[in-house]
Amino acid sequence: DTGVSQDPRHKITKRGQNVTFRCDPISEHNRLYWYRQTLGQGPEFLTYFQNEAQLEKSRLLSDRFSAERPKGSFSTLEIQRTEQGDSAMYLCASSLVRGQQGWSQPQHFGDGTRLSIL
Amino acid sequence: GQSLEQPSEVTAVEGAIVQINCTYQTSGFYGLSWYQQHDGGAPTFLSYNGLDGLEETGRFSSFLSRSDSYGYLLLQELQMKDSASYFCAVRGGGGNNRKLIWGLGTSLAVNP
Repeated sequence: DTGVSQDPRHKITKRGQNVTFRCDPISEHNRLYWYRQTLGQGPEFLTYFQNEAQLEKSRLLSDRFSAERPKGSFSTLEIQRTEQGDSAMYLCASSLVRGQQGWSQPQHFGDGTRLSIL
Repeated sequence: GQSLEQPSEVTAVEGAIVQINCTYQTSGFYGLSWYQQHDGGAPTFLSYNGLDGLEETGRFSSFLSRSDSYGYLLLQELQMKDSASYFCAVRGGGGNNRKLIWGLGTSLAVNP
C-alpha cells in the first residue's frame, strides 16, 4: 500500500491556461474522489468515480472542469481556461467499497496539488 | 439547504479532554465521519458513525444522535501532535446524491 499519490504537488500558471492533474489511488480501491479545498474551508466535493464510471459531478464543476478515469485506475482532472478563483488545493481520495457499505468506508487522501493562478 | 456547524477554534492543554461538536442539517442522512488534517497535510480518517451511540478508537471517540442531528468527537489525553483541524462530514441527500458534505473544520490548539 503506497497510498494515494498526486502529481504535481504544486502548479503555478497564468490565467487562461489549461492545467491537468493526476491522481494514482491505492491500487485495489474502486472509488476515486476529487475535492477542492481553500484556506479555512473544508474539502468541497467535485466528482467521484466507481471504477471507470463517473457517477456524480458537483454543480460547482463548471464546463471548464473535466475528469477522467479511463481504466478504472489513475484519474486526471483538467481545468481549461483557468481563472483566479480556481486557485486552491485539489485533493484526490480513494476508497474500497463493497456492496452498500460505500460511504462508511474511510477515504484515503493524497497530499493534494496546490494550484496558483497568476 | 444542507449545512454542518462546528466550532471554528478550540484550545486545550496537554493531557486534557476536549469535545468537538457537530450539528448538521441535510436532506437525508447516511452517516457522520470525522477527519483530521494537519497544516499542509492531507485529511486522514478518524471515525464513522452510522447508528446512534459511541464509537471508540484509542484516545478518540465519536458519538452520534440522529434524532438531534448532532454528533461529537472526543479527544482524550491530548498530545501536542493532536493540534490540527478536525472536520465532520455527512453523507446526505437522497437518490443519487452520494456526495460527502464537509463542515468548515475546527482548529484545535494543544498547549503545553
